[in-house]
Amino acid sequence: AQTVTQSQPEMSVQEAETVTLSCTYDTSESDYYLFWYKQPPSRQMILVIRQEAYKQQNATENRFSVNFQKAAKSFSLKISDSQLGDAAMYFCAYDYNNDMRFGAGTRLTVKP
Amino acid sequence: DTAVSQTPKYLVTQMGNDKSIKCEQNLGHDTMYWYKQDSKKFLKIMFSYNNKELIINETVPNRFSPKSPDKAHLNLHINSLELGDSAVYFCASSQDSLAGAPDTQYFGPGTRLTVL
Repeated sequence: AQTVTQSQPEMSVQEAETVTLSCTYDTSESDYYLFWYKQPPSRQMILVIRQEAYKQQNATENRFSVNFQKAAKSFSLKISDSQLGDAAMYFCAYDYNNDMRFGAGTRLTVKP
Repeated sequence: DTAVSQTPKYLVTQMGNDKSIKCEQNLGHDTMYWYKQDSKKFLKIMFSYNNKELIINETVPNRFSPKSPDKAHLNLHINSLELGDSAVYFCASSQDSLAGAPDTQYFGPGTRLTVL
């Protein structure tokens, strides 16, 4: 079974600094999707970024970018110029054939 | 030693029927959740529930109702199913933090509901 591991239960970053959240996954498939979701205190899950495994180029959405290492099965999220509103739980997810698996999440704290 | 389990994994049914999806967690967590994932992979929280409080997303139709027979279970009942209810439904659980904020959530495998 595919598993998703987020090894950092909690992370902290100073406002305006950069932070990287780690995610690794286990799969024998070659064509799949990877996601990062953000869950602020409102509990709404917000899609931050997605990556298709067949694309070598790393996905970028404004201040959010990923480092996708397919061979290493690693999918880290980099948040640049961190803002107070970035404080949330971040979930990494893997999807193959519409079967999605989530990591346990990383709680990000942003210090002013 | 499954942490969060859901049954069934797939559910195909006719419009107008009533159905239930079961969720069980063996983590001893205080809070359980139901999420709906649409066809574009966007997740939306439907309910969060612990023995003190049920928080309902106001956009959820009242045809959907959570039922918790005990702390380890949170089942989702859906009445008068509609075509738009077709989605993947995820259950999750977490331990309440001392601050009362959401803690790490553990997700179930999801239930794919198809309404014909």
